[in-house]
Amino acid sequence: DADVTQTPRNRITKTGKRIMLECSQTKGHDRMYWYRQDPGLGLQLIYYSFDVKDINKGEISDGYSVSRQAQAKFSLSLESAIPNQTALYFCATSDRGGNEQFFGPGTRLTVL
Amino acid sequence: GQQLNQSPQSMFIQEGEDVSMNCTSSSIFNTWLWYKQDPGEGPVLLIALYKAGELTSNGRLTAQFGITRKDSFLNISASIPSDVGIYFCAGEPTDSWGKLQFGAGTQVVVTP
Repeated sequence: DADVTQTPRNRITKTGKRIMLECSQTKGHDRMYWYRQDPGLGLQLIYYSFDVKDINKGEISDGYSVSRQAQAKFSLSLESAIPNQTALYFCATSDRGGNEQFFGPGTRLTVL
Repeated sequence: GQQLNQSPQSMFIQEGEDVSMNCTSSSIFNTWLWYKQDPGEGPVLLIALYKAGELTSNGRLTAQFGITRKDSFLNISASIPSDVGIYFCAGEPTDSWGKLQFGAGTQVVVTP
């Protein structure tokens, strides 16, 4: 089984809808991250969490919110989706003492 | 925002050739990481570097942490068709503990 899983893998929605993307991990890592990837660009950090009670904004947090329900679960919400939020979204985890991040398979989100 | 300059953007090479790519920054980094992303998948960690001057290999892949701590390179020797994909560099700046910055990626295409 995959260490980092994301659901759904693909989602098509309409402008104005609320969307939640979920991430679960079995690696036992404390830190979790949400990234966005647009074609031809690297990964941009949306939010990150170093433990269950710690939530921090990344470089592109506007229009997004997160919830860290447990050490193993970190969800990303788009309260009112807009077309320029169409992108690939990746969840990642890392251990408390290390910098190596391990990524999930991604969610392809299309906002019409 | 993104501060890593990764080059080249793309490479078209023949099977058996060697590949080189690099990342540079104006900032000093504690860690350099190299990832590969296959279509429809999340990035997979290839090599992690933690010390200036460090040279690390993983099979046909070799990466180095630059002496100035502002750059890193990745070499792939004797390329094979499965080397196709996007290669990303990532680094942890000294002033951004626990967070990574990513390059825009190098698209590698291998022809028989």
